[in-house]
Amino acid sequence: GQNIDQPTEMTATEGAIVQINCTYQTSGFNGLFWYQQHAGEAPTFLSYNVLDGLEEKGRFSSFLSRSKGYSYLLLKELQMKDSASYLCAVRGVNDYKLSFGAGTTVTVRA
Amino acid sequence: GAVVSQHPSRVICKSGTSVKIECRSLDFQATTMFWYRQFPKQSLMLMATSNEGSKATYEQGVEKDKFLINHASLTLSTLTVTSAHPEDSSFYICSARDHKAPTYNEQFFGPGTRLTVL
Repeated sequence: GQNIDQPTEMTATEGAIVQINCTYQTSGFNGLFWYQQHAGEAPTFLSYNVLDGLEEKGRFSSFLSRSKGYSYLLLKELQMKDSASYLCAVRGVNDYKLSFGAGTTVTVRA
Repeated sequence: GAVVSQHPSRVICKSGTSVKIECRSLDFQATTMFWYRQFPKQSLMLMATSNEGSKATYEQGVEKDKFLINHASLTLSTLTVTSAHPEDSSFYICSARDHKAPTYNEQFFGPGTRLTVL
């Protein structure tokens, strides 16, 4: 089975940094994805990790530790438009299915 | 990136009727498409995997006779909610896998369809 946990909500100030943690216990692992989803819209791809370490992409970075079943998404220099839900998803082995966490709603305040 | 469309974006129907939702990959061929359902403030739950030219694979707890999936071509999959009831009201999202895309970004999501059953 798949068990993916992430915090429900986080609030931060414009210009600040926020770290969203994701822990997972899955029957198989073939990569971890982070998606951004604004209300009523489809998820959009942010990052992908399959090996341990940090992947940096502009203001967004994602980290993975496979031995700990742990990932985080780091959002730097927060902007108001970053207010959204952030979904952690794990891809299974031998298929292309994604199992999603419940999502973390980030609210950026001025 | 690749584009996936869904039609309609919103639909309201009466209880007992059937509703068809289309998912199209616009600029690539998708041998595999996925259908998800998302209730308010909850995450995406995979309903079924749709493979072109073969029967869909449904996740545990999803009734295949209620949610009919047809993947008749490499660019189109349809989801039909039969005999819809108010509890079927949800946000339905499809995604399509581009097997030629880099592994790290091979699944593209449609904009979703908001279904409301009265």
